[in-house]
Amino acid sequence: DAGITQSPRHKVTETGTPVTLRCHQTENHRYMYWYRQDPGHGLRLIHYSYGVKDTDKGEVSDGYSVSRSKTEDFLLTLESATSSQTSVYFCAISGRDRGNYGYTFGSGTRLTVV
Amino acid sequence: AQSVTQLDSQVPVFEEAPVELRCNYSSSVSVYLFWYVQYPNQGLQLLLKYLSGSTLVKGINGFEAEFNKSQTSFHLRKPSVHISDTAEYFCAVGLLDGSEKLVFGKGTKLTVNP
Repeated sequence: DAGITQSPRHKVTETGTPVTLRCHQTENHRYMYWYRQDPGHGLRLIHYSYGVKDTDKGEVSDGYSVSRSKTEDFLLTLESATSSQTSVYFCAISGRDRGNYGYTFGSGTRLTVV
Repeated sequence: AQSVTQLDSQVPVFEEAPVELRCNYSSSVSVYLFWYVQYPNQGLQLLLKYLSGSTLVKGINGFEAEFNKSQTSFHLRKPSVHISDTAEYFCAVGLLDGSEKLVFGKGTKLTVNP
């Protein structure tokens, strides 16, 4: 969707290195989310944000941190990447602040930790 | 805690046949309900949503879903499927706790065969 972009689209990194994934939106929405998608697990929430500098943990937050210094950007950092963090990562925004319930998703980042 | 169960992990059907993808949820509070579709190597796209009102909801691409509060179900249906409907489908519950978080099921892979 044109209103939300993720970068990079693909990344291969080594175990133990830090990695930062970026989510950028042009919709000026308050709510932003990071999910990971793994076969057999569906999508699981890592962290979310309900405004600049306001973030909270999801169900699988261990090993991840986030930052949101501007409305349009939500960064996900893997502090020391492990093979268990090999996954597809999706960012999403919610239009709830304008009465449009539900998410718009980015195209995803495929991360491989070797 | 809220949870979503998609009863079938895989559903194979023939082209032009009807299909039903089943979704049950559990929640102690009122929820919103969603169906998303994911085509290969893409992000998730909203198919339809139930917020309130009529329990029969129509979405894009000829899909519809029916909310059944007594059975806590939100099954997705299409009367005649096409090859292009081959994708993974996710049911999700939206939490009315101010966080606007969505809890996803594990997905149902629909394969439409000629």
